[in-house]
Amino acid sequence: AQSVTQLGSHVSVSEGALVLLRCNYSSSVPPYLFWYVQYPNQGLQLLLKYTSAATLVKGINGFEAEFKKSETSFHLTKPSAHMSDAAEYFCAVSGITGTASKLTFGTGTRLQVTL
Amino acid sequence: EAGVTQFPSHSVIEKGQTVTLRCDPISGHDNLYWYRRVMGKEIKFLLHFVKESKQDESGMPNNRFLAERTGGTYSTLKVQPAELEDSGVYFCASSPLAGLTTGELFFGEGSRLTVL
Repeated sequence: AQSVTQLGSHVSVSEGALVLLRCNYSSSVPPYLFWYVQYPNQGLQLLLKYTSAATLVKGINGFEAEFKKSETSFHLTKPSAHMSDAAEYFCAVSGITGTASKLTFGTGTRLQVTL
Repeated sequence: EAGVTQFPSHSVIEKGQTVTLRCDPISGHDNLYWYRRVMGKEIKFLLHFVKESKQDESGMPNNRFLAERTGGTYSTLKVQPAELEDSGVYFCASSPLAGLTTGELFFGEGSRLTVL
């Protein structure tokens, strides 16, 4: 069984500040991990993914995430927030021996960026 | 290249009525998925097609939900009769067969269903 916990349903940061969105997972098999983003009135878009290669994964728009097996975490960071980063972010896990058919998502974190 | 398209974007129906949601995947994508997000909760898997075959429908809530993918192209998800707890956003996603082991799914904008 797999599960994802995203701490904080809402996060607010000032423009230019560090963005840190937390994700912890539980998986009985080595996981594939993902961050998806949903901008207003758009579909979910893949931000980045971890598939057992480098533990530090770089994604689009300056985001990155680090896979820490010992902490079962895959936190998303960005050094400097921009107004355009305001969106809802979803962490997801998929089993490495399975297919992509059962992505298990967290409840999402809505990021607000203020001036 | 066109993305995953879903129709309608928003549907408001009375309890007991029927609604059919449609999804057109990216051309050439054999995998098609349906997910649902009830307000404030996580996005949950409903089912997975490979071409026209149901690969996994373990997430379907009950027999009021019927998904089809005739000819392996577009898919429909019918809810009959709709209940209040069916309200939520229904997402469709697709991926090429080669994407089966990478997990990257391409999502549509979702169909918001409101049952009154």
